Amino acid sequence: DIQMTQSPSSLSASVGDRVTITCRASQSIGSYLNWYQHKQGKAPNLLIYAASSFQGGVPSRFSGSGSGTDFTLTISSLQPEDFATYYCQQSYNTPYTFGQGTKLEIK
Amino acid sequence: QVQLQQSGPGLVKPSQTLSLTCAISGDSVSSNSAAWNWIRQSPSRGLEWLGRTYYRSKWNNDYAVSVKSRMTINPDTSKNQFSLQLNSVTPEDTAVYYCAREGFTELNYYYYMDVWGKGTTVTVSS
Repeated sequence: DIQMTQSPSSLSASVGDRVTITCRASQSIGSYLNWYQHKQGKAPNLLIYAASSFQGGVPSRFSGSGSGTDFTLTISSLQPEDFATYYCQQSYNTPYTFGQGTKLEIK
Repeated sequence: QVQLQQSGPGLVKPSQTLSLTCAISGDSVSSNSAAWNWIRQSPSRGLEWLGRTYYRSKWNNDYAVSVKSRMTINPDTSKNQFSLQLNSVTPEDTAVYYCAREGFTELNYYYYMDVWGKGTTVTVSS
């Protein structure tokens, strides 16, 4: 199975901050990398697919980059509604695997 | 707009079978451009992909190795839904279970889960 490792596991930031979350795959996965936002009690929400493509309706402050084994999710200017847990997921092959999550908290 | 409505019991006894259903509106379980997944989340395992079913001239299933011997995912075309059955459950199967639609791009077949059910909290306990 492909292992996905996110860092940091938690992050405290303020509204307006620029935040970057990284995700590393245990083998090359090309651009088969998705990012999800998950709020407690709600379904995960797809933000970015294919490493850098925006899902419809996602604010432009979210962006994704990377290929191969190293990927990043950047939020350019944090908004109050962005405080949540973020997961990367590889769709290179099954079994699909997720990172352990990055919990973004208000400083 | 595609929506997934989950149903099923929230409490299952150890050694029994966990059964959940995901009803689809706005799409078809038989679609050639979608797959239908089950994922669960627990504090100990995080998000864990369990398996999927999809139709490409015939029905196909993929399962995670960790549950393959105990899990069945079945499509129901008459009700436009799909189901999960997990046999011989233990307390380690306690989790929030999600169903999700998987789509893909026409160029390069990048796969992603773009529509999720709201989740069902399942507790395995006597």
